[in-house]
Amino acid sequence: EVQLVESGGGLAQPGGSLRLSCAASGVTFSNHAMTWVRQAPGKGLEWVSAISDHGRSTYYSDSVKGRFTISRDDSKNTLYLQMNSLRVEDTAVYYCSQDSPICTVWGQGTLVTVSS
Amino acid sequence: EIVMTQSPATLSVSPGARATLFCRASQSVSSDLAWYQLKPGQAPRLLIYGASTRATGIPARFSGSGSGTEFTLTISSLQSEDFAVYYCQQYNHWPPGTFGGGTKVEIK
Repeated sequence: EVQLVESGGGLAQPGGSLRLSCAASGVTFSNHAMTWVRQAPGKGLEWVSAISDHGRSTYYSDSVKGRFTISRDDSKNTLYLQMNSLRVEDTAVYYCSQDSPICTVWGQGTLVTVSS
Repeated sequence: EIVMTQSPATLSVSPGARATLFCRASQSVSSDLAWYQLKPGQAPRLLIYGASTRATGIPARFSGSGSGTEFTLTISSLQSEDFAVYYCQQYNHWPPGTFGGGTKVEIK
């Protein structure tokens, strides 16, 4: 069974940085594209970023382009999201999911709060 | 960017009844549409992809239909575990994979 476990969320100040991780198990991680999706409090889902299998290509929403960087370490079965220049509006639960563009398996998410 | 509009925002349904949820795209997305279920504190779950194909392990009471700009998710007989929020997502004009605003299915 595929399991995805996010970590690294927490409180950050506006302009600050956080790095999220997503550890995958039960899957040949390197064979799968991966996606980050977020949900702000009381809001709907928002697609954030995706990375192809083996990391050859990356994709970003306009709202995070230039501030967030998606990456992966296939030797550790782990997906990352480096978030810089954080804004209050980045406050959300961040989910990692397997595959792209369809998100076939999801983690339970990690909460990021950006506040002074 | 494609805009996905879901209706209604909230649907009150009795257990055992049928629920019909709607999703409209601002332009054609062919059949490149997925439905997801979200419950508080749980990992979201893929229900339907390709507009009408059930994901692995999804009960037959969930069905999807439509193409182009108009899509429907039907839950034929609501079970207690089906009360949740449902989102559609287009992936024809990707990236981004835009989601609708969601429909909350609540107990009547």
